[in-house]
Amino acid sequence: NAGVTQTPKFQVLKTGQSMTLQCAQDMNHNSMYWYRQDPGMGLRLIYYSASEGTTDKGEVPNGYNVSRLNKREFSLRLESAAPSQTSVYFCASSEAPLLTTQGDFQPQHFGDGTRLSIL
Amino acid sequence: AQSVAQPEDQVNVAEGNPLTVKCTYSVSGNPYLFWYVQYPNRGLQFLLKYITGDNLVKGSYGFEAEFNKSQTSFHLKKPSALVSDSALYFCAVRDMGSYIPTFGRGTSLIVHP
Repeated sequence: NAGVTQTPKFQVLKTGQSMTLQCAQDMNHNSMYWYRQDPGMGLRLIYYSASEGTTDKGEVPNGYNVSRLNKREFSLRLESAAPSQTSVYFCASSEAPLLTTQGDFQPQHFGDGTRLSIL
Repeated sequence: AQSVAQPEDQVNVAEGNPLTVKCTYSVSGNPYLFWYVQYPNRGLQFLLKYITGDNLVKGSYGFEAEFNKSQTSFHLKKPSALVSDSALYFCAVRDMGSYIPTFGRGTSLIVHP
C-alpha cells in the first residue's frame, strides 16, 4: 500500500540552487497539497490543487511553484533556494470535498516528507 | 474564516493514566474536525474525525474525541495511555465548502513508563 510517495527523502542545497520535490499518490484522489512543517509553527499550506488542471496558492506560496502533472502527481519547485526554505515538506492528497450538505469530508493522506536543508 | 488552537505545546502523562490533548476551534459555519498523529520522521496519520452526529467520536488506537459545540472544543482522549502513544498530535478544522483544513501547531504527547 504505497499511498503518497515523496522523493527525495533528504536533500541539501546551496543558496540559489533550484530543485523539484516530487509527489505521487495511488489512491485516485482529486485533491493534492504541499505543506511545510517548521518547529513551533505546525503545518503551513504552500500550494494546493483541488483537481487535475487547477492549482491555487496557500498561506506561504512565495518562492515556490507547483505543477499538477496529472491526477497522480503534484510537484513543488524551488527556483532559487533560500535558507528560510529549510524545512520539512509534506505532500498530501484527499478526495475532493463535496460542496453540498452531504459533505462527508475525507481526511488527508500524507507522505513521509522531504527534509530539505539550504546552506 | 477558520482557525484552530492547541493551547498546550506538550502534555506529559504516566503510562496507564488517562490522557487529554486539547483543541479549540473557530469557524463561520458547521465545523468538520480531525485529529492526526505524527511519529518521528513520518507524515501525519489520520486518527479520527467529527462530521456530524454523536459528540463522542471513536478512532484508531483506542483514541476518542469529544465534540463540544458550546465550548467550541474537540479534545482528544484515551482512557489508558501507552508509551507508544508518545508522538506529535495535530487538530485540524475545516469549514463546509472549504478545500483547505487549518491545522493547529501541534501538541507533543510524552507518556512516561
